[in-house]
Amino acid sequence: EAGVAQSPRYKIIEKRQSVAFWCNPISGHATLYWYQQILGQGPKLLIQFQNNGVVDDSQLPKDRFSAERLKGVDSTLKIQPAKLEDSAVYLCASSLPRGAGKTDTQYFGPGTRLTVL
Amino acid sequence: AQTVTQSQPEMSVQEAETVTLSCTYDTSESDYYLFWYKQPPSRQMILVIRQEAYKQQNATENRFSVNFQKAAKSFSLKISDSQLGDAAMYFCAYRSVAGANSKLTFGKGITLSVRP
Repeated sequence: EAGVAQSPRYKIIEKRQSVAFWCNPISGHATLYWYQQILGQGPKLLIQFQNNGVVDDSQLPKDRFSAERLKGVDSTLKIQPAKLEDSAVYLCASSLPRGAGKTDTQYFGPGTRLTVL
Repeated sequence: AQTVTQSQPEMSVQEAETVTLSCTYDTSESDYYLFWYKQPPSRQMILVIRQEAYKQQNATENRFSVNFQKAAKSFSLKISDSQLGDAAMYFCAYRSVAGANSKLTFGKGITLSVRP
């Protein structure tokens, strides 16, 4: 079974530029998450999708971050314009829906390391 | 809001020895899940072990086991027979059972090194 795919793996941009990250979840996983992991810290949830609907985006800085999950499969996270403090690893995870018991474990992709200069 | 605390930033263990990583959490909920994730330098988060709060029995997965103390809100990970491949960052995480939100709340992590 293929895991969660993310691209690109690395991205370096200047501040005030825009950037987009892509995630393809495990096949059949209705729930998709984007986490931000700043160096030296644990990941923090930015947004959770259930199919193509948003469950939680309370921690998403909506003035500069946006995310979509068209057709309930792939997802894109965008930052526009980027700030220095956005330098972090962006992790995508997917899971089966709540209520699936033990199998609703979150599986993570390899992440995208963003550096904002 | 729930919080997860990992107060030890780094630990070191001799190969083949046993090491225990500590984690405490704070919640007002009675039912929840707790996890330990491993993050090697490749950055991929890998699930190590999972514990349901309503279960009194401590979870075990091969060389990995937990000591879950619900009243003390403590959730430590024991790694037996440590191997070089166990070297990584380890994160403790909490997940609520209630509601549709499945987010994981992570601690800051602990860096484990394994000495040959």
